[in-house]
This record gives sequence, C-alpha cells and structure tokens, in this order.
Amino acid sequence: GQNIDQPTEMTATEGAIVQINCTYQTSGFNGLFWYQQHAGEAPTFLSYNVLDGLEEKGRFSSFLSRSKGYSYLLLKELQMKDSASYLCAVTDSNYQLIWGAGTKLIIKP
Amino acid sequence: DADVTQTPRNRITKTGKRIMLECSQTKGHDRMYWYRQDPGLGLQLIYYSFDVKDINKGEISDGYSVSRQAQAKFSLSLESAIPNQTALYFCATSDFRDTGELFFGEGSRLTVL
Repeated sequence: GQNIDQPTEMTATEGAIVQINCTYQTSGFNGLFWYQQHAGEAPTFLSYNVLDGLEEKGRFSSFLSRSKGYSYLLLKELQMKDSASYLCAVTDSNYQLIWGAGTKLIIKP
Repeated sequence: DADVTQTPRNRITKTGKRIMLECSQTKGHDRMYWYRQDPGLGLQLIYYSFDVKDINKGEISDGYSVSRQAQAKFSLSLESAIPNQTALYFCATSDFRDTGELFFGEGSRLTVL
C-alpha cells in the first residue's frame, strides 16, 4: 500500500529552528508538496520538490531525497504564527496525491 | 473575494437529511476535487473531476455523490446524511498545466446529529 509518515506533533521555541520529516512509500513519484494549515482553515501551499536537493523560500526550506523516500521541511526564525499543522503530500505514478496525516507544530514563547 | 468559494461554510443537519455542498471557482482551472478532513486523519479524497464530462471516485466515495455543472462549479451531495459524515469538507482546484498544486476553498464544516 501507499504510505506517508510524519510525526504527529512537535514543539519548538519562538526564534528557533525546527525540522519536520516526512517519509513516503508510494507507487511511483511525481513530486512532493508541503502545505501549511492553521486550525479550522484551508491548507495553503508552501513548497514543491520534484528533484533531489534543497529548495529555499524565505524562512522555509524543503529538502527531497528520492532514493531514500524522504523529505523535510525546515522552518527558521520561528514565529508564533507558524503554529499550525504541516501536511506532506506525494504525487504517485497515476498523478494522484497521497496525503500524510500532518504534523501539528506548537510554538512556545 | 476568494478564488475558490464554498457554501455553506457551516451546516448542522439531522440523520437522514439530504445535504448539498457547493463549490465555485474563478481560477479557470479544469480540475476540481472534494476532500474530507477528520482530526488526525489528514485529507481523504471523495471525488474528483478533470473536466465537465469527467467524474471519478476517490478513496471514500461511498455515501456521497457529485455533480460538475460547469467548469467552474462542482457540488457534493450527501443523499442521506449519517453522523460519521460529520467532518470538515474542502473543495480544491488545480491546473493540469501546472505541478498539481491544489488551491483550496475555505472549507465547509458539516455536523450530522
């Protein structure tokens, strides 16, 4: 079966750095997405990786290793507004999106 | 105004009632989706449509039906609502020429008593 694993919950301190990991086992691979979702709101797009390596976008970076079936989202200079769930999703060989359950990130002052 | 609009945003209904959730978009995207989200379970695909004449079941389509009335409109119906259909429902769109990035509506919270 197809599976995406990410930690259920993480806690970090304001101003610090946090890395949220995502491992996947899917039938084929056509890209990996990270979305941010605040409680009760719609997910919003953060990043897209299709090739190995690091994509940097401001305070957020996303890394992909296709050979390891692994990605991480790196958040720097954490702010209270970064408290949210972070969803990892993989596009499989049929271009269907497979979603992880999400990682709830709690930021403490 | 939001590019992807869902109505109603909140709905409380009783078991056995028919419910329709509507979605309209101004992004000009051909692909539209309905997802359900339950706490701790992530997003589950109910139905998707790649154009007006194309309707496909997702992983949890039982108990649901859809209608693609136009490129911009995609409705989700619960013919006879049951309590375990209580959830947050999202409509989303994407452009086939793009990476597959989804653009979500604001969500419709449905409670079935």
